[in-house]
Amino acid sequence: DVKVTQSSRYLVKRTGEKVFLECVQDMDHENMFWYRQDPGLGLRLIYFSYDVKMKEKGDIPEGYSVSREKKERFSLILESASTNQTSMYLCASSSRLGTETQYFGPGTRLLVL
Amino acid sequence: RKEVEQDPGPFNVPEGATVAFNCTYSNSASQSFFWYRQDCRKEPKLLMSVYSSGNEDGRFTAQLNRASQYISLLIRDSKLSDSATYLCVVRDSNYQLIWGAGTKLIIKP
Repeated sequence: DVKVTQSSRYLVKRTGEKVFLECVQDMDHENMFWYRQDPGLGLRLIYFSYDVKMKEKGDIPEGYSVSREKKERFSLILESASTNQTSMYLCASSSRLGTETQYFGPGTRLLVL
Repeated sequence: RKEVEQDPGPFNVPEGATVAFNCTYSNSASQSFFWYRQDCRKEPKLLMSVYSSGNEDGRFTAQLNRASQYISLLIRDSKLSDSATYLCVVRDSNYQLIWGAGTKLIIKP
């Protein structure tokens, strides 16, 4: 079974704090993704990576950065958290870009005060 | 206009009934189509892919209508465990997945 884990289920941070969200997958997948999910909106792609040290902007990269130093790990960084970044953050991985199933982690619910 | 649109629901359906919902997409060049299921406070999981000829998996049937640019999901003999949000997903020509906001389904005993 594919397993995607995220470092925290719930996080509470203050405006201006730097926030790190970690994601690890154990299936040797090439592709990894960070989404945010908000009520009434579909999942929105923040960043994705199709190889170590590679990253591509998704639809809403502003205010975020990512790091992929190892194949199994993809980190999302909020450089200076803002209240409009309160959301559910979902990490996913897949073995081939787009066409294969994306496997999701359990999500991190982030509240920025 | 959203690229992928779904009726948010909720659809309240008695156990054992048949329920169907659609999803429309705006990009006629879309390549592939999927239904994902997301339980409350859980992550999305692939339910089924949608093929041009339609496909069936047990009580679930998915169909694609390219001319009208929509896909559908039909659930027969609904179970309490089918209660979830169903996400429509479309892969565009750039291999990116475009997600609908989901249709919430509640099966009542």
